[in-house]
Amino acid sequence: KQEVTQIPAALSVPEGENLVLNCSFTDSAIYNLQWFRQDPGKGLTSLLLIQSSQREQTSGRLNASLDKSSGRSTLYIAASQPGDSATYLCAAQGGADYKLSFGAGTTVTVRA
Amino acid sequence: GAGVSQSPRYKVAKRGQDVALRCDPISGHVSLFWYQQALGQGPEFLTYFQNEAQLDKSGLPSDRFFAERPEGSVSTLKIQRTQQEDSAVYLCASSFRTSGRDTQYFGPGTRLTVL
Repeated sequence: KQEVTQIPAALSVPEGENLVLNCSFTDSAIYNLQWFRQDPGKGLTSLLLIQSSQREQTSGRLNASLDKSSGRSTLYIAASQPGDSATYLCAAQGGADYKLSFGAGTTVTVRA
Repeated sequence: GAGVSQSPRYKVAKRGQDVALRCDPISGHVSLFWYQQALGQGPEFLTYFQNEAQLDKSGLPSDRFFAERPEGSVSTLKIQRTQQEDSAVYLCASSFRTSGRDTQYFGPGTRLTVL
């Protein structure tokens, strides 16, 4: 069974600092790796999807890398803003099926 | 609507009651997923539909949980004889492809509290 771990569980940084969020997974036979954002009381918003054949994806201030062999993905958020405060979840989609296996998330607070 | 919608947004049930949670996926999306999210945890897969066919229900916790999508659009998750451990946020997601291996778009969830 795929196990996904996110460390740290919580992170607090001053505005303007770059954020680095880590995700690790136990089964490297993934189809893709997805990063989501969840605001309190809301559903999940897809941020980036990295196919297993890719090494990274970028969208604006967000950059996600994928290293399948080591079972790791990292989400970088440049020049953080208070509006970036949320919980960030990573999810691995299996190579043999469509299930998303989620980590427990990293809750980010960006202080103004 | 542009996104996935779910109703009700909040549901309080007494232990032993039956509940029904509704999901309206994005129009034209073939794949539909249900997830259960406990407090402080990531979502856990419950079940998957491709059109009206329920292809995987391996994540349903017990036979008290039942899901359907009779016309391949709206889906309902039903929980019979609710228990306190059923308290969680139930998330629905849809995606365009039949494989389900593309971006999943999530609804806002239904927060179920069983007293």
